[in-house]
Amino acid sequence: SAVISQKPSRDICQRGTSLTIQCQVDSQVTMMFWYRQQPGQSLTLIATANQGSEATYESGFVIDKFPISRPNLTFSTLTVSNMSPEDSSIYLCSVRTPELGNTIYFGEGSWLTVV
Amino acid sequence: GESVGLHLPTLSVQEGDNSIINCAYSNSASDYFIWYKQESGKGPQFIIDIRSNMDKRQGQRVTVLLNKTVKHLSLQIAATQPGDSAVYFCAATYSGGGADGLTFGKGTHLIIQP
Repeated sequence: SAVISQKPSRDICQRGTSLTIQCQVDSQVTMMFWYRQQPGQSLTLIATANQGSEATYESGFVIDKFPISRPNLTFSTLTVSNMSPEDSSIYLCSVRTPELGNTIYFGEGSWLTVV
Repeated sequence: GESVGLHLPTLSVQEGDNSIINCAYSNSASDYFIWYKQESGKGPQFIIDIRSNMDKRQGQRVTVLLNKTVKHLSLQIAATQPGDSAVYFCAATYSGGGADGLTFGKGTHLIIQP
């Protein structure tokens, strides 16, 4: 399996600020995704991080609120912009690659609380 | 699009008994299914997966069954242990496009009674 590291693992953020979450994978992967898990809920796909091009966002998520970068095959960032308490969630990075049988693996998540 | 649902939000079983967690999906184009386990304070942990060309797959103490006719899959955990207590999610995707992420069910909280 892939080893996926996320930073920060936890943070408490002030309303109106922005925070960038980093995702580092220990091997090159084809696909990287960002998910959100609100308290007590299931996971929802935010976007697919595309290397060298703009991310592909799911319905209900927009680039201005969740800008994403993917400069290479092992790294991606998700920014949560202009945060409000409703953004308090776990944000999870996941990867998928043929070399790993196309199984989708997750990092441990970044737990954000907005106050 | 795809929607994935679980039948029970909570399942309580006696330690040592077998557990069965069920899941239904809506999109007949979905061809890859994964079960994840999420313990408190942790990210989802891959348990087992199955592709649509199979109807059963076994791992260590776990079995996944897929019924494509009724769009249903289940996770069976044999001889449940206290460490099996967690929330279990099923997820579905279409693997052919390569870019599709997962659609998750709502999760079943498995509680192991001593």
